[in-house]
Amino acid sequence: AQSVTQPDIHITVSEGASLELRCNYSYGATPYLFWYVQSPGQGLQLLLKYFSGDTLVQGIKGFEAEFKRSQSSFNLRKPSVHWSDAAEYFCAVGRWGSQGNLIFGKGTKLSVKP
Amino acid sequence: DAGVTQSPTHLIKTRGQQVTLRCSPKSGHDTVSWYQQALGQGPQFIFQYYEEEERQRGNFPDRFSGHQFPNYSSELNVNALLLGDSALYLCASSLPLLAGGKNEQFFGPGTRLTVL
Repeated sequence: AQSVTQPDIHITVSEGASLELRCNYSYGATPYLFWYVQSPGQGLQLLLKYFSGDTLVQGIKGFEAEFKRSQSSFNLRKPSVHWSDAAEYFCAVGRWGSQGNLIFGKGTKLSVKP
Repeated sequence: DAGVTQSPTHLIKTRGQQVTLRCSPKSGHDTVSWYQQALGQGPQFIFQYYEEEERQRGNFPDRFSGHQFPNYSSELNVNALLLGDSALYLCASSLPLLAGGKNEQFFGPGTRLTVL
């Protein structure tokens, strides 16, 4: 069955520290991969996406993610976290070449300590 | 350029009632998908509309139905509401594949439905 796993439910980092949020997927076909961010009570904002090509992708707000096919992972990173990055982060996978549905992980809540 | 818009923002209903949620896609987008996000969970796919037809459906009962209009806007209807239907309902739109859509979905702010 297709699935996305985000192993960390809640992560707390200090402002200025580096961040890595983990995402593992199980998908039979070639995937499209996405990271979204959701602030409390809000919709989802796309941070970055991977379709093909360079496995290190850059997104908005200084985020990047690396696709590792051998590990079925698409981890999100940021070198220096800002207090405004506190939010919930969702990894999602979609089918390559299709407009079908996205499958989401359960999310990782990020808290930032001053 | 307006993004995806949804109405209403919040809604309170009682068990057994029916509800209609509305979504206007981003300009140029012709495909609309609906997701349900329960508290503390990731969004779950309900169904997707393209060319005014339901193209894909997730694991949701027939109480959940939808419609897409010629201007690509969409409605989600839920009949016989249950307490468990309380959630944030998200609408997402995407470009046609032939226009390079690649399933990049843009989400609206959601409608918060509370069933009492």
